[in-house]
Amino acid sequence: DVKVTQSSRYLVKRTGEKVFLECVQDMDHENMFWYRQDPGLGLRLIYFSYDVKMKEKGDIPEGYSVSREKKERFSLILESASTNQTSMYLCASSSTTGTGGVGYTFGSGTRLTVV
Amino acid sequence: AQSVTQLGSHVSVSEGALVLLRCNYSSSVPPYLFWYVQYPNQGLQLLLKYTSAATLVKGINGFEAEFKKSETSFHLTKPSAHMSDAAEYFCAVSGPNNAGNMLTFGGGTRLMVKP
Repeated sequence: DVKVTQSSRYLVKRTGEKVFLECVQDMDHENMFWYRQDPGLGLRLIYFSYDVKMKEKGDIPEGYSVSREKKERFSLILESASTNQTSMYLCASSSTTGTGGVGYTFGSGTRLTVV
Repeated sequence: AQSVTQLGSHVSVSEGALVLLRCNYSSSVPPYLFWYVQYPNQGLQLLLKYTSAATLVKGINGFEAEFKKSETSFHLTKPSAHMSDAAEYFCAVSGPNNAGNMLTFGGGTRLMVKP
């Protein structure tokens, strides 16, 4: 069964800490995405990547960075965590091949609380 | 540019009643359309997708959706709601020549099922 695995389901961090959220996929997908999800705001795209070492800003990149050193792994970094970054974080991947009907495969999410 | 509108951020039905979740899209090209479901504290799971084959698409858990080009709609239905259907549902669209197969998501609809 194909999978996108997020390393933590629940995480509690202190304000000012550097936080790493890890995402690994085993489908050899080219594209990987990080979203945050907040009540009433739906899914908001933070960053995405089309290839190794490549990254593109999404709609809300401020306060975040990403790293993609290997095709299967896409890390989201909170350089200095703040309480307004308390949220559910979702990783997804997709294939570039095909003509657009492939959709995304999502991980189970990481619920991050910054105190 | 593509966009998705989900009418009703919250929908409440009684167990056994018809479920109807509305999705309208805007796309300059024939779209690919998706419905995802998210159970509490989990990631998004693909429910069904339309990729220009049959306009009536059947998905998992008894859900189906009909693509209506004239109405630019892709509403999700289920004849008889079950308590386990309580979740958040997201409609999404991508285009056939969309680089990276990027999806645009609607704001989500939370389905509540009353006993």
